[in-house]
Amino acid sequence: GAVVSQHPSWVICKSGTSVKIECRSLDFQATTMFWYRQFPKQSLMLMATSNEGSKATYEQGVEKDKFLINHASLTLSTLTVTSAHPEDSSFYICSARDLTGGSADTQYFGPGTRLTVL
Amino acid sequence: GQNIDQPTEMTATEGAIVQINCTYQTSGFNGLFWYQQHAGEAPTFLSYNVLDGLEEKGRFSSFLSRSKGYSYLLLKELQMKDSASYLCAVRQGGFQKLVFGTGTRLLVSP
Repeated sequence: GAVVSQHPSWVICKSGTSVKIECRSLDFQATTMFWYRQFPKQSLMLMATSNEGSKATYEQGVEKDKFLINHASLTLSTLTVTSAHPEDSSFYICSARDLTGGSADTQYFGPGTRLTVL
Repeated sequence: GQNIDQPTEMTATEGAIVQINCTYQTSGFNGLFWYQQHAGEAPTFLSYNVLDGLEEKGRFSSFLSRSKGYSYLLLKELQMKDSASYLCAVRQGGFQKLVFGTGTRLLVSP
């Protein structure tokens, strides 16, 4: 199946700093990518839908000025957590839609990024 | 609003069969997915239903009733490695986003 990578796989930062997480589709083009957040022992919560060449669509309750999303190309979306605080510590997972595969499972997940804010 | 509910935890014995239920109330339904997730890892795809009925894939089967807003994942011949979280997710909207349920942690014991 298609491969989605994330970088970094883990990051530790100080409170008040900004952190950028990259999501890449390695062998297919993704006009749409999704960003999720997962707290310990909880399920995935959709944060936003990232569309190539246009503004992201944020889910209710997600601050768009805090979680900046840029989908500059068909293979790359970035999530920047601005002015991070300890409560932003979480597992961030991206997924990408492959419209060409013809399979029922057209959304492929990255391996996730563990963010710890001190 | 939307609700996708699953039991929080389940336990079962190696070699047994377990059924994990998922009930949903959402708008714009366009399919229901089941994923397996081990701790600290990304979800991996297990099964998908868009029409009513049973889909079988090896040891895993998934059932959907759209009129009842209900699905289940059936795992047969349980193995220790099946201990994981199981997530149901409803696909919806023009962008085909996935909205995940609360997740079920399954513990398989010897």
